[in-house]
Amino acid sequence: ILNVEQSPQSLHVQEGDSTNFTCSFPSSNFYALHWYRWETAKSPEALFVMTLNGDEKKKGRISATLNTKEGYSYLYIKGSQPEDSATYLCASDRGSTLGRLYFGRGTQLTVWP
Amino acid sequence: NAGVTQTPKFRILKIGQSMTLQCTQDMNHNYMYWYRQDPGMGLKLIYYSVGAGITDKGEVPNGYNVSRSTTEDFPLRLELAAPSQTSVYFCASSRSGRSADTQYFGPGTRLTVL
Repeated sequence: ILNVEQSPQSLHVQEGDSTNFTCSFPSSNFYALHWYRWETAKSPEALFVMTLNGDEKKKGRISATLNTKEGYSYLYIKGSQPEDSATYLCASDRGSTLGRLYFGRGTQLTVWP
Repeated sequence: NAGVTQTPKFRILKIGQSMTLQCTQDMNHNYMYWYRQDPGMGLKLIYYSVGAGITDKGEVPNGYNVSRSTTEDFPLRLELAAPSQTSVYFCASSRSGRSADTQYFGPGTRLTVL
């Protein structure tokens, strides 16, 4: 994998459903994987920064895992709420220096009440 | 603490016009970045700066210029606007250039070139 890929591109779930989506990234020369939450007309908001293989991070109902050997990260949302509706972006450094991040296209989540 | 602020929020330009997108951060961050986000695409790095007086090109620098005269400000200049520059522009900053350092984003400038 040369680029950062996210799937699915969009997701529609009912309130209360749990959901997850995937970020794939180049596993060679990996240093960090970032997850951001972006609501339209607002600033992308940092959720997690993950660096170590097997890392698990949690923030309320949102959690993320990291597998650096195979180059993927999962983001989970438990009991989705309408306010979780947003685009979720992941970014990897792809082994670059100077803090350069390479972003995926995002997963757009819509939670219906 | 305002964080990263950007002006204007929206702008419509005619082909060939020029403009400057303003970005200011009050966190005393050394590193600042400009990204563009096209529909259905990931954020692409236009330019970045590692400190006052030091800037460098990112992935998509053509058609843009930047300057960094102070730690706080990192304006992006569009010369001779083209329809291909229609996009949402985000400015971001981070304390250091380490890959694990969080980048803090502004709210974006939505630019349309007609």
